[in-house]
Order: sequence, then structure tokens, then C-alpha cells
Amino acid sequence: AQKITQTQPGMFVQEKEAVTLDCTYDTSDPSYGLFWYKQPSSGEMIFLIYQGSYDQQNATEGRYSLNFQKARKSANLVISASQLGDSAMYFCAMRGAGNNRKLIWGLGTSLAVNP
Amino acid sequence: DVKVTQSSRYLVKRTGEKVFLECVQDMDHENMFWYRQDPGLGLRLIYFSYDVKMKEKGDIPEGYSVSREKKERFSLILESASTNQTSMYLCASSWTETYEQYFGPGTRLTVT
Repeated sequence: AQKITQTQPGMFVQEKEAVTLDCTYDTSDPSYGLFWYKQPSSGEMIFLIYQGSYDQQNATEGRYSLNFQKARKSANLVISASQLGDSAMYFCAMRGAGNNRKLIWGLGTSLAVNP
Repeated sequence: DVKVTQSSRYLVKRTGEKVFLECVQDMDHENMFWYRQDPGLGLRLIYFSYDVKMKEKGDIPEGYSVSREKKERFSLILESASTNQTSMYLCASSWTETYEQYFGPGTRLTVT
């Protein structure tokens, strides 16, 4: 069965420092995709970054990058130069292969950025 | 920019009432989704739709139904609201199943 695990319920980081949010996944499908979303206290889920299982390079999007280690089945989100507005819940999700429209979601990590 | 809107941010209903939650997207997306989000349980898929009038059950469809009469609109219906349906409801849409989902602002429903 497919599964996403986020082992850090809460994280703290100083403003302007980098932070890594962990995500490990379990799947037997050779083709899959991994997503990261941000949910501020306002409630809206915001798409951040995507990594396909066959992508040769790690995905990057501005201050967000994905540290994809396929052999370890990990897809950690790295936020560089943290800002106060980065304080939010962060969710990792996985899409399976084939005609699978569902996303499998982790339980999230709460990130607090300290001034 | 993709825009997904939901009819209400906050809603309070009484037990036994029929409740309609509306979701509209403006990007001609094929797929639309309804989730509920509860502390400690993460996001759970209730129903999704991959085309007009087409729907599939998610992980927790019991007590809910959906309607998709037009491509841009996906409604979630609680036939007879119960207190255990108090939750945050999130609607999402995506171009195809392989693309990222875009979410609405959420509806916080309280059933008393």
C-alpha cells in the first residue's frame, strides 16, 4: 500500500536560515509523483513544488527545493532563507501510477519561523 | 492564475439539516475533489469527479453525496448533517490526474 510519512510534527527555524522538512514514501509503483503543499493559518492549501519519479534533477522553485533520494524513498523539502511568512503547515503528498487520480497525503509538519 | 472558490468560509448548521457546499473553478480543469481535514487525521478524500456527471468515491464517502452538472462546479451534499461531520472542507481541482491540485480557501462547517 502507498504511504507518506512526515515524522516531524513541529519544527522551528530562525529567520533567514534554511530548514529541511522530511518526507518519506512507500510505493511499489515505478512511476509516481511527489508534491509539497503549504497551508497557512488562513486554511488555503498552496501548491509549492513537484517531483516526478523519473525526473533526473531535483526540483527547484524559488526558495523551495526538493531533495529527492529515490533509493531512500525520501523527498525532503528545503526552504532557504526562511521568512516569517513561511510559518505554516507543510504537507507532502504522492500520486500513484496509472489511472490513479488520488493523492496520498502525509499528516503534515508545522513550521514556525522565529524573528 | 487558477482560482477555486467555495461558497462559504464558515457555516453553522443544525443536526439533520441538508447542507450544500459549492465549489467553482475557472480553469476548465477536468478533475475536481472534495476533502475533509481534521486535526491528527490529515486530508481525507470524500469524492472526486473526473468529468461532468462522473464521480468516484474517495476514502470516506459515507454520509455525503456529490453533484457535477457543469464542468466548473462541484457540489458536496450532506443529506442529513451530523455532529461528526463538523470539519474543514476543502475543494480542489486539477488539469488531469498527473497535475498538481489547486485548492479553494476551505469551508469550516460546524454542525450543532
